Amino acid sequence: DGGITQSPKYLFRKEGQNVTLSCEQNLNHDAMYWYRQDPGQGLRLIYYSQIVNDFQKGDIAEGYSVSREKKESFPLTVTSAQKNPTAFYLCASSRRDRDQRRTFGSGTRLTVV
Amino acid sequence: GDSVTQMEGPVTLSEEAFLTINCTYTATGYPSLFWYVQYPGEGLQLLLKATKADDKGSNKGFEATYRKETTSFHLEKGSVQVSDSAVYFCALGLYNFNKFYFGSGTKLNVKP
Repeated sequence: DGGITQSPKYLFRKEGQNVTLSCEQNLNHDAMYWYRQDPGQGLRLIYYSQIVNDFQKGDIAEGYSVSREKKESFPLTVTSAQKNPTAFYLCASSRRDRDQRRTFGSGTRLTVV
Repeated sequence: GDSVTQMEGPVTLSEEAFLTINCTYTATGYPSLFWYVQYPGEGLQLLLKATKADDKGSNKGFEATYRKETTSFHLEKGSVQVSDSAVYFCALGLYNFNKFYFGSGTKLNVKP
């Protein structure tokens, strides 16, 4: 079955460290997205990519970086510049046609220790 | 600007009660509308969708009708179960503008 795989499910980061969250999809979707979710809150868009080797900042890109070297993969790096990184991170993908539905991974919970 | 507004939660119901979660939208153009569900510690799953006015999306006993005249897409279920306890998100997609917006989510608690 096709889907999106996020890893790891839980991640702990020390102050000042960079960490990378993995997102892989086998849905043949062109577009991929990263969202941040804080407890009891909605989703905020961090970065998105419509095609390979191209990506755009979302609403809260500061302190994050991404790459899109392969269609299937869209890793997110949380850098030390992100002052409050503890959150639940969700990766999603979609087609680029009128079927805009987002398909989500199961998420990565990042905690700063 | 374009946006989605959901009723605030939490919504607490007894098992077998009728559920309504309100969702209204503001959009330029002709949006597609979606409901997603998120169970604790998991990602979002698409529950149902509607792509044009008067369409009714349905899945697992849940229904929502795309009402252009009232710019609404309210989620309903006739008889909720404890297993329906989750957070529900309304969403709007604007293909021509490559935009997609989520509401803030409504938490549903169903008690036995």
